[in-house]
Amino acid sequence: DSGVTQTPKHLITATGQRVTLRCSPRSGDLSVYWYQQSLDQGLQFLIHYYNGEERAKGNILERFSAQQFPDLHSELNLSSLELGDSALYFCASSDTGTRVTETQYFGPGTRLLVL
Amino acid sequence: GQQVMQIPQYQHVQEGEDFTTYCNSSTTLSNIQWYKQRPGGHPVFLIQLVKSGEVKKQKRLTFQFGEAKKNSSLHITATQTTDVGTYFCAATGSARQLTFGSGTQLTVLP
Repeated sequence: DSGVTQTPKHLITATGQRVTLRCSPRSGDLSVYWYQQSLDQGLQFLIHYYNGEERAKGNILERFSAQQFPDLHSELNLSSLELGDSALYFCASSDTGTRVTETQYFGPGTRLLVL
Repeated sequence: GQQVMQIPQYQHVQEGEDFTTYCNSSTTLSNIQWYKQRPGGHPVFLIQLVKSGEVKKQKRLTFQFGEAKKNSSLHITATQTTDVGTYFCAATGSARQLTFGSGTQLTVLP
């Protein structure tokens, strides 16, 4: 158990819909990262938040957005869903997100299926 | 952006055989991390290498970082069925995000 929690575990929805994925980092960790894992694209970085502020964006679509709240939990919002958005979404946390050598701890993931 | 190539994509071995996966980058890396993902699971941190030529061991696993810090390898000696999973290398980017290799899926046949 990494100490990172994600809800829900599974999500099935239809094209065009909007969903919210939630992540709680390990106690004391200030940084949250979101990654998408799909069969054709592998594990890809989406976005990084540190202490409530956006730090970096990766391959995140404009239909996707995220935020980190004062209690440090984070939400990833996916809208106008398409079939190709079906994937595993992981969040990871690290203590500060400032040092190159920091370890990231991954949550169990949310499996999203868009029908 | 930073890219990390990883080979092979799949590897089937008989239990007791050795296994190696390789990562290569065209640019010098500040560090390389290795993760293991069991089927149906999430990536779990194994180790980090930072220094040029660094070699680290964890029981039957040996991790190496190349002298030029552009390549890395993970070698497992005498594989066991518990080694099954996908092994990823990952490089830390300027924004501390991880850029993952494509992974090597290891199957161990009993």
